[in-house]
Amino acid sequence: ETGVTQSPTHLIKTRGQQVTLRCSSQSGHNTVSWYQQALGQGPQFIFQYYREEENGRGNFPPRFSGLQFPNYSSELNVNALELDDSALYLCASSAGQQNTEAFFGQGTRLTVV
Amino acid sequence: DAKTTQPTSMDCAEGRAANLPCNHSTISGNEYVYWYRQIHSQGPQYIIHGLKNNETNEMASLIITEDRKSSTLILPHATLRDTAVYYCIVRGRSGNTPLVFGKGTRLSVIA
Repeated sequence: ETGVTQSPTHLIKTRGQQVTLRCSSQSGHNTVSWYQQALGQGPQFIFQYYREEENGRGNFPPRFSGLQFPNYSSELNVNALELDDSALYLCASSAGQQNTEAFFGQGTRLTVV
Repeated sequence: DAKTTQPTSMDCAEGRAANLPCNHSTISGNEYVYWYRQIHSQGPQYIIHGLKNNETNEMASLIITEDRKSSTLILPHATLRDTAVYYCIVRGRSGNTPLVFGKGTRLSVIA
């Protein structure tokens, strides 16, 4: 148990729809990162939030967006879903901006049909 | 792109030490070596990290060569529950820098 919880655990959406995934970070952690993991691949960095501001982004289009709330929980929103968006979405939290370990949630398995 | 190279897969007998190698020949002076593992269908789990000295914790030991161009993760007494994909990651000092995962090494611990 890492203390990082994600919801929902599984989700099926239709192409073109929008989806919101949620993450509650570990107590005391103010940095949240999101990753996309396609089948058989390593996780790919989407973006990171620190104290409610986005402070890093990977190579993902603008239809991937996020929020971080004052309690440091976070949302990942994906608009205009495509079949290739089917993946495991992982949230990781860490303390501050120092080089510390990140703790991952169990992920949300998104299937786009 | 990942700055590390790892073997695709390895086998290890239960109870024996598992030694997982990683090459990171382009590592810079302020970059750390991190190890994570991912058991099937779960989120990655932090194992250990280091800068230049060898490190040990309750899970594993990390041996970094003097030139820092390679490292080895050692699981001293592998169990079946250690079967997982192990990722070696080079990461900058700033907390802004994300974890860049490669494909990792699939370790199979065999009874």
